[in-house]
Amino acid sequence: NAGVTQTPKFQVLKTGQSMTLQCAQDMNHNSMYWYRQDPGMGLRLIYYSASEGTTDKGEVPNGYNVSRLNKREFSLRLESAAPSQTSVYFCASSEALVSRYGYTFGSGTRLTVV
Amino acid sequence: ELKVEQNPLFLSMQEGKNYTIYCNYSTTSDRLYWYRQDPGKSLESLFVLLSNGAVKQEGRLMASLDTKARLSTLHITAAVHDLSATYFCAVNTGTASKLTFGTGTRLQVTL
Repeated sequence: NAGVTQTPKFQVLKTGQSMTLQCAQDMNHNSMYWYRQDPGMGLRLIYYSASEGTTDKGEVPNGYNVSRLNKREFSLRLESAAPSQTSVYFCASSEALVSRYGYTFGSGTRLTVV
Repeated sequence: ELKVEQNPLFLSMQEGKNYTIYCNYSTTSDRLYWYRQDPGKSLESLFVLLSNGAVKQEGRLMASLDTKARLSTLHITAAVHDLSATYFCAVNTGTASKLTFGTGTRLQVTL
């Protein structure tokens, strides 16, 4: 089925460990995004990629890095995980930054940092 | 900085009742999106409102957009339990803008 695929679905890290969250879309979308969702705070944008070859910071980029590997894939890396990064992470994509159809979201990665 | 506010944040309503969720935003925009999220699940697109006065309806849900008032409403008619979820509105402004989400409205429909 067409859509946005995220891996892993669940992860537990120890403080200071690193990991990469993977995201791939098969809808030929140009723009991709990483959001985090915390209780009572809605979704906050971490990083985004307007098109292949570009990445930009969102609202809460500290502690994260991203790579737009190709048009399909956009990864999020935590270099040294902290408990404050415990959250649910969603990847999304759209045909353009300003979309006629809205964003399509992946199923999420639930990350716990202990 | 764009701010998107939803109210109420939590809504408990009985089946069969009507209610409205409000989404206010702080800067000019001519497009607004509504999403639904079930517990532990991803976000599902409900409506895309692309111009002032736009109205979209799907089943018991109807969304509208007033760009002059910077307000969108999501009206629920004769609520049923299956509508229990969290509803988010999201706005972007300008040609290089990303979606900014409201904090969500958690809707609980009780028998």
